[in-house]
Amino acid sequence: NAGVMQNPRHLVRRRGQEARLRCSPMKGHSHVYWYRQLPEEGLKFMVYLQKENIIDESGMPKERFSAEFPKEGPSILRIQQVVRGDSAAYFCASSPDVQGSYGYTFGSGTRLTVV
Amino acid sequence: QKEVEQDPGPLSVPEGAIVSLNCTYSNSAFQYFMWYRQYSRKGPELLMYTYSSGNKEDGRFTAQVDKSSKYISLFIRDSQPSDSATYLCAMSGGNQGGKLIFGQGTELSVKP
Repeated sequence: NAGVMQNPRHLVRRRGQEARLRCSPMKGHSHVYWYRQLPEEGLKFMVYLQKENIIDESGMPKERFSAEFPKEGPSILRIQQVVRGDSAAYFCASSPDVQGSYGYTFGSGTRLTVV
Repeated sequence: QKEVEQDPGPLSVPEGAIVSLNCTYSNSAFQYFMWYRQYSRKGPELLMYTYSSGNKEDGRFTAQVDKSSKYISLFIRDSQPSDSATYLCAMSGGNQGGKLIFGQGTELSVKP
């Protein structure tokens, strides 16, 4: 029973390129959350998705960032025209219920470096 | 004011010491309280989960929630060098829906 799988583990992009981060939730989990962690900071909520629906994107920057969780396949966090300030660790988490009341299971993260 | 406040440390203790980690929060609607452990360059790992007020014990770890004071704690007994990590408190519930609100994290170092 694999945990939450994220890939790639490390991603280097030049300024202006696109970054695509993938997340496969745990088996049986239909709720996916994306968080961003900057150095020396806690995790900041970005977006909450269920299959084919965005439930809460209150933490997503209004421009350049988008997320999806299609009926088939992994959840994707997409960052267009990356800038240096997008360099961070991006974590995906999944839970089996809507409240996340039993906590989430996190993946190992994707570390994005923008050069 | 941040919704969840946590002293970032760093906190350094000798092996065998009792460690106390704390968070305060402002949103009285929070109902679910969690502690995550994060090793360097790894994802957070759920350590303890508590619903509403009260205590919960699991081995060397004890989590306490005092909703009246909006204060939660994690105690680690007989600390080990392998406990060296960053500890993040997190909470959810009320109008936050499914999302967790995290504290900044406390960096703990247990010296042999």
